[in-house]
Amino acid sequence: GQNIDQPTEMTATEGAIVQINCTYQTSGFNGLFWYQQHAGEAPTFLSYNVLDGLEEKGRFSSFLSRSKGYSYLLLKELQMKDSASYLCAAAVNDYKLSFGAGTTVTVRA
Amino acid sequence: EAGVTQFPSHSVIEKGQTVTLRCDPISGHDNLYWYRRVMGKEIKFLLHFVKESKQDESGMPNNRFLAERTGGTYSTLKVQPAELEDSGVYFCASSQRLTVDRASSYGYTFGSGTRLTVV
Repeated sequence: GQNIDQPTEMTATEGAIVQINCTYQTSGFNGLFWYQQHAGEAPTFLSYNVLDGLEEKGRFSSFLSRSKGYSYLLLKELQMKDSASYLCAAAVNDYKLSFGAGTTVTVRA
Repeated sequence: EAGVTQFPSHSVIEKGQTVTLRCDPISGHDNLYWYRRVMGKEIKFLLHFVKESKQDESGMPNNRFLAERTGGTYSTLKVQPAELEDSGVYFCASSQRLTVDRASSYGYTFGSGTRLTVV
């Protein structure tokens, strides 16, 4: 079966850094996605890692360790608009996604 | 380009009734997926179409759910008869032909979802 774990909630201050961890146990692993979802909207793509290491894209970075079944999403210079749910998802076999329950990030002024 | 469109955005029906959800993928996307998020749980895969063919329907909960994609364009997901536990948000996603391409990242684009409430 598939098992994706991430924290339920995180709170941080505007301008700060937050790291959202994700651990996964999946068969047929084909990479790790991070999505951002605002309430009532579609999940939107943030990052994709298939090889070990850090991928940096502006204020957002994502890390993957395949041997440890571990990933994190790093959000820097937090802005109020970053308040959202962040979804960790493992791509498995036929390119379907196995999601974690999501981490709600609240950014405070 | 237009995104993935889902209709309706919200639906409230009584237990035992039938509901049909529709998804219009991005034009030219052969791959269409349905996912569901039940309250308090994670988003779960339901099924995958490649054009009009069901490639993988391993996530369909039971035979009360029927998905179709006639002509390989839009797709419908019918729930008949609906039960209380079917309440949740149903997401559709589409992508171009699958390639291991980090830039395209499978080209997965999600719709905003249909919130189904069965009372």
